[in-house]
Amino acid sequence: EVQLVQSGAEVKKPGESLKISCKGSGYTFISYWIGWVRQMPGKGLEWMGIIYPGDSDTRYSPSFQGQVTISADKSISTAYLQWSSLKASDTAMYYCARRGGELTLDSWGQGTLVTVSS
Amino acid sequence: QTLVTQEPSFSVSPGGTVTLTCGLSSGSVSTSYYPSWYQHTPGQAPRTLIYSTNTRSSGVPDRFSGSILGNKAALTITGAQADDESDYYCVLYMGSGNYVFGTGTKVIVL
Repeated sequence: EVQLVQSGAEVKKPGESLKISCKGSGYTFISYWIGWVRQMPGKGLEWMGIIYPGDSDTRYSPSFQGQVTISADKSISTAYLQWSSLKASDTAMYYCARRGGELTLDSWGQGTLVTVSS
Repeated sequence: QTLVTQEPSFSVSPGGTVTLTCGLSSGSVSTSYYPSWYQHTPGQAPRTLIYSTNTRSSGVPDRFSGSILGNKAALTITGAQADDESDYYCVLYMGSGNYVFGTGTKVIVL
């Protein structure tokens, strides 16, 4: 069974750094792209970017380029989303998703809630 | 920036039929965008319903169907049930690894 398990909720202060994770299992991790999706409070889902763990090819949505860094460690089947300096506006739920056949997002993590508050 | 538009909300009676649409701010949605549809309850993982325009994901009941209607992608729920009450998002593939989510439609079953 394909599973994506995300790291737990985080509470951070503005200016702090953060790295959240998404661990894949039940499939060949390096062979499927992993994407990240944001949902701010009361808002819709937004596409952030995607990484191919096999060679770390990474593509960012223009809206998120330079705001976050997506990475992966194929040795432990884990993708990451990180911030170097959090803002209050980064408060959101973040989901990872696997890109399957025919370009669908076919499996999803359970979400990581990030709260940034002074 | 490309905007993918959906109806903000729809109400449907139990057993009724509702069609949600997914349009582009400029241009037409075609199969080349590999439109997909997701059901989402905030705080839970999204559920993949339809991909590549009209292919149902594993385990999705056949009351959900996808199509192209005119210049938009469409999701039709036939015989709506109470637990279909949720948010629904279309997603279009824009190439080069990038996707755009639609604005989302809240479906109310009453």
